[in-house]
Amino acid sequence: GAGVSQSPSNKVTEKGKDVELRCDPISGHTALYWYRQRLGQGLEFLIYFQGNSAPDKSGLPSDRFSAERTGESVSTLTIQRTQQEDSAVYLCASSKGSSGSVNEQFFGPGTRLTVL
Amino acid sequence: AQSVAQPEDQVNVAEGNPLTVKCTYSVSGNPYLFWYVQYPNRGLQFLLKYITGDNLVKGSYGFEAEFNKSQTSFHLKKPSALVSDSALYFCAVRDRRDDKIIFGKGTRLHILP
Repeated sequence: GAGVSQSPSNKVTEKGKDVELRCDPISGHTALYWYRQRLGQGLEFLIYFQGNSAPDKSGLPSDRFSAERTGESVSTLTIQRTQQEDSAVYLCASSKGSSGSVNEQFFGPGTRLTVL
Repeated sequence: AQSVAQPEDQVNVAEGNPLTVKCTYSVSGNPYLFWYVQYPNRGLQFLLKYITGDNLVKGSYGFEAEFNKSQTSFHLKKPSALVSDSALYFCAVRDRRDDKIIFGKGTRLHILP
């Protein structure tokens, strides 16, 4: 039973470059979340996917950020024209989703993004 | 929109003493509430959740939390702290009308030997 995996574990990029972060949720989990955790800070909600419903993008900080999910599997978070303030750990979590129940999230190890 | 407040950035407790990590929330309706823990160099782990029923919820590692609707609080507690409990603790809330889960800023717990 594999958990949530994320790749790469570390990414160093230059300011202005685009980056793509990947998340593989636990099989069968219909809900998928992306969060950002800046150094010494809490978790900042970015985006949420639930099954085939339209994603909740209300947490995306700017139009440089976007995310996609293929069905109920892999998700990618893309940051275009990266800025130094984008440096953070990006966390992905999945859960079984609602369907009348309340399920805890399982978190991946995160991708540490450093923008030089 | 829902929100969570963890008023203490850091809490220091002597080993063997009881500990409390505070959390208050704001949602339009009735909440689902969660606590997660982040140990150094490890991912977030689920501790416990409140859905309905008994206001005192028991979770992993001897932790418990008390839901108080009138005070809109969900404080995390443990009767006797261990040095190994030192970590970053996050409270989270979900509005029953949607699935988005919002986290607090976290409280760093230091258990002093």
